[in-house]
Amino acid sequence: AQSVAQPEDQVNVAEGNPLTVKCTYSVSGNPYLFWYVQYPNRGLQFLLKYITGDNLVKGSYGFEAEFNKSQTSFHLKKPSALVSDSALYFCASTSGTYKYIFGTGTRLKVLA
Amino acid sequence: NAGVTQTPKFRILKIGQSMTLQCAQDMNHNYMYWYRQDPGMGLKLIYYSVGAGITDKGEVPNGYNVSRSTTEDFPLRLELAAPSQTSVYFCASSRLAVNTGELFFGEGSRLTVL
Repeated sequence: AQSVAQPEDQVNVAEGNPLTVKCTYSVSGNPYLFWYVQYPNRGLQFLLKYITGDNLVKGSYGFEAEFNKSQTSFHLKKPSALVSDSALYFCASTSGTYKYIFGTGTRLKVLA
Repeated sequence: NAGVTQTPKFRILKIGQSMTLQCAQDMNHNYMYWYRQDPGMGLKLIYYSVGAGITDKGEVPNGYNVSRSTTEDFPLRLELAAPSQTSVYFCASSRLAVNTGELFFGEGSRLTVL
């Protein structure tokens, strides 16, 4: 069965430090991978996606993600965290169907 | 631009009541989706539509119905509400099929069934 895993329920990081939010996937065929962010009482907002090509994908708000086929991972990164980055982050995948498979989400808390 | 608009934002239902969650998008997107979000569970797909007049079931369709008479609107109907349907519901749309196009989400409808 296809799945997306986010192994950490919560990640805490100090402001100004680099952050990583982890995601691994298990899908048939070529993976199409996405990151979304959700602020309190809001809908999800698209951050970035990997379809094909360069393994390092750059997205909104200074975020980037690295696609690693051998490790089946797509970790979200940012060189310097901001307090305003505190939110719920979702990794998602699809492999050519009309349906997304979402991870369970990781709550990022950036401490001032 | 309004994007994806959901109404109502909050609703409390009694067991056995019915209601419709409204969703409208003004981006001329063909693809529309309904998800429910439960704590610690991520998002689960209820129904989706690839165009006007075409709908299909997602992972958790039981207890729900949809229709897509226009490109803009994709209402979700709850019949005979049950406490298990207490959740936050999100409508989303995309211009392209999901394997290349990102989703645009509404702000959600929080439903409580008592």
